[in-house]
Amino acid sequence: GENVEQHPSTLSVQEGDSAVIKCTYSDSASNYFPWYKQELGKGPQLIIDIRSNVGEKKDQRIAVTLNKTAKHFSLHITETQPEDSAVYFCAASISGGSQGNLIFGKGTKLSVKP
Amino acid sequence: GAGVSQTPSNKVTEKGKYVELRCDPISGHTALYWYRQSLGQGPEFLIYFQGTGAADDSGLPNDRFFAVRPEGSVSTLKIQRTERGDSAVYLCASSYDGGAGGYTFGSGTRLTVV
Repeated sequence: GENVEQHPSTLSVQEGDSAVIKCTYSDSASNYFPWYKQELGKGPQLIIDIRSNVGEKKDQRIAVTLNKTAKHFSLHITETQPEDSAVYFCAASISGGSQGNLIFGKGTKLSVKP
Repeated sequence: GAGVSQTPSNKVTEKGKYVELRCDPISGHTALYWYRQSLGQGPEFLIYFQGTGAADDSGLPNDRFFAVRPEGSVSTLKIQRTERGDSAVYLCASSYDGGAGGYTFGSGTRLTVV
């Protein structure tokens, strides 16, 4: 089955710097790759997603890149702010995201220091 | 409703007892998912409903776990003969059918088995 590896497990940056989180997946049939942000005591919140027919997607300060050949995808946050501090999870799915299940990475705890 | 609602938010039970966890999805969402999240880990898939039927229950760890969605809206996750290893946050999510992309998660039920 699918396996998703996520690095780093913790990341500390200064406010205003960029943060990059990387994930690899094992199943070449996976075609949907969302990223979730989870704050303490809350459920994961979708922040951006990408499908296998696209190499890059951007939404304001957040961007995701996908390399299907290498089976890895990355989250890029620019101009980080203290409110970006949270745990971020990548995930992969074969079924396109709204059907079937997501396989999650173990998460990255991002700390943005003011 | 405005979001996915899960009740109770916290549940403490004794080993061997039976528990029920409730999920109220976003109105109109036909797909409903249950995940389990242990401390420091990403969410782990349990079961997925499309309408009233369980489309994929391959993530249920054993026959002590069971879930229903009798009218295609509210779902109940049932755990019999609870064990200390069942302690985790149980997350519910819902989505539109047809590959619209992205789940909306609830805040979860924190289950503690003592």
